[in-house]
Formats: sequence, structure tokens, C-alpha cells
Amino acid sequence: AQSVTQLGSHVSVSEGALVLLRCNYSSSVPPYLFWYVQYPNQGLQLLLKYTSAATLVKGINGFEAEFKKSETSFHLTKPSAHMSDAAEYFCAVRPDRGSTLGRLYFGRGTQLTVWP
Amino acid sequence: DTAVSQTPKYLVTQMGNDKSIKCEQNLGHDTMYWYKQDSKKFLKIMFSYNNKELIINETVPNRFSPKSPDKAHLNLHINSLELGDSAVYFCASSQELGTGGYNEQFFGPGTRLTVL
Repeated sequence: AQSVTQLGSHVSVSEGALVLLRCNYSSSVPPYLFWYVQYPNQGLQLLLKYTSAATLVKGINGFEAEFKKSETSFHLTKPSAHMSDAAEYFCAVRPDRGSTLGRLYFGRGTQLTVWP
Repeated sequence: DTAVSQTPKYLVTQMGNDKSIKCEQNLGHDTMYWYKQDSKKFLKIMFSYNNKELIINETVPNRFSPKSPDKAHLNLHINSLELGDSAVYFCASSQELGTGGYNEQFFGPGTRLTVL
């Protein structure tokens, strides 16, 4: 079975500090990987996605993620946190590449708090 | 224009009632989904429709019945509501055919269902 593990349900950083949100996946073949952000009382918004074109993926709002096959990881980073980054972040895996199932498996989310 | 819209945004109802949530997407996508987000913010897929055909049907009680009148709409009808059905329900859409399956899913704003 596919699984996505997000280490740390809560991460707190000071404004201007590095943001690191961890995501590990289990998949028999390299999957498609996504990071979504959810602001309070809103739907999910795509931050970035990995589709095998490049291992370092840049997304919106200054976020980026690196796919490391050997570590089965897809950690999300941002060099300098901003107050507006405070939200819930979800890592998602689509293991069935090329099929029409479209099934996404989500991690349990990481709540990012940014202190002034 | 809103890409994926859901109505209602909030739904409060009594146990045993029947209710429906509507979803519409104006992105021209061929696949639509329903996800359930529980109180701990865990997201899990419930159903997926591709060109009005049911593709994914996770282990969901028969009380939940999706209906797709056309490619742009996917409604969720719930019979005999129970306390455990309280959650946020998200609709999503993506373009699957002809894309290799890497296209992201676009999410609606969610419907918060509270069963009393």
C-alpha cells in the first residue's frame, strides 16, 4: 500500500528563518509528488509538483522541494519564512503514473506557525 | 471566475437527514473527485469520476452516493446522516486524458458538514 509520512505535525519558526517540512513516501516506482497548502477555512492550493523533469522543483511563494529517490523523500523548503506562510501543508503522492485513476494519497499534514 | 465551486459552504443538519453537496468545475477537466477531511485534517479520497464514469470508489458507506450529470458537475448525496459524517468535504478536478497523469488536482473551497 502506498503511504506518505510527514514528520512533525507542527513546525514553528521565526519570521525570516528557514522553513523545512519533511515528506517521505513509499512507492515501488518513482511517483508523482505534490505539495499543497491549506490556509484556514480554505481549500487546497498547489505549491509545487515533481513529475520527473527535474529533481529540484520550484513552486509559488518562494517554496521549493527536492526529490531524492535514494531517500524516498520530497522535503519542502523556503529560505526565509514570512508571516503569511502560516498554514497547513500537505504532501501528496500519485503512485499510478500514466493511469487514469488520479488517486492521490495525502500525508497527515504539517501545521506551520511563524513567529514574529 | 471560480475554477472549482461547491455549495453549500456550511451545512448543519440533524442525524438521520438526507443532504446533498454540489460541485461544479469550469476548467474543462475530464475527472472529478470527492475527498473527506476529518477533524484531524486527514484527507482521504472517496470517489473519482472520469467523463461521468465512476473510476474510484473507496470503502465508503452506501449512504454516500455520487452523481455526475455531466463532466462539469459531481454531486454528493448522503442518506441517513450520522455523527461520524461530520467533516469537511472537498471536491477536486483534474485533466487526466492526454496528460500522462501528472496534472495537479484543483480543489474547491470545501463544505463543512456538521451533523448534530
